[in-house]
Amino acid sequence: DAKTTQPNSMESNEEEPVHLPCNHSTISGTDYIHWYRQLPSQGPEYVIHGLTSNVNNRMASLAIAEDRKSSTLILHRATLRDAAVYYCILRDVGGSSNTGKLIFGQGTTLQVKP
Amino acid sequence: DTAVSQTPKYLVTQMGNDKSIKCEQNLGHDTMYWYKQDSKKFLKIMFSYNNKELIINETVPNRFSPKSPDKAHLNLHINSLELGDSAVYFCASSRRTGANEQFFGPGTRLTVL
Repeated sequence: DAKTTQPNSMESNEEEPVHLPCNHSTISGTDYIHWYRQLPSQGPEYVIHGLTSNVNNRMASLAIAEDRKSSTLILHRATLRDAAVYYCILRDVGGSSNTGKLIFGQGTTLQVKP
Repeated sequence: DTAVSQTPKYLVTQMGNDKSIKCEQNLGHDTMYWYKQDSKKFLKIMFSYNNKELIINETVPNRFSPKSPDKAHLNLHINSLELGDSAVYFCASSRRTGANEQFFGPGTRLTVL
């Protein structure tokens, strides 16, 4: 399974944009990039996913590098409620590999300051 | 309306006991999962079932046995509990195997004394 590398922690000020980076230099052609987050004392929560093109949804935007070796999760205006651990996960959707298995790394702990 | 629910939320028990954690989803999903989050906060998949059929069985001691009576339920039974089983266990579901979004339950914190 291809691995991802994320900074252990990041800080942001409330109402400012946050860019959370993820490196995945060994990504394969059938790997989708997924982001989940885990708020304190809760289960993980899906944020966004993408393959090649940038993606937007109500929670965030996902910017994917042209060579797909890195991606950035963008929170446009951080709120205190966005303080969480953010996980960047590669999921292989090729054929029999598409079991839905998510492999979580250590993630990035985001602190949001008022 | 809780989408994925787990009971109990907390479970404290002695070594050697047998315990079960229950999971139910009301989303009409076909696939359900069990994950374990240890004290260092690493989340690791244990099992997944699709329509009551076992799909994923990671390297988990055979003291752990999942049971899916129907596609809305996936229970986790643990025999002969050990100290190292202390963790938070999360149940999740998705529309189908390989669907992009998994919905997680609130977790069950198991403490083995």
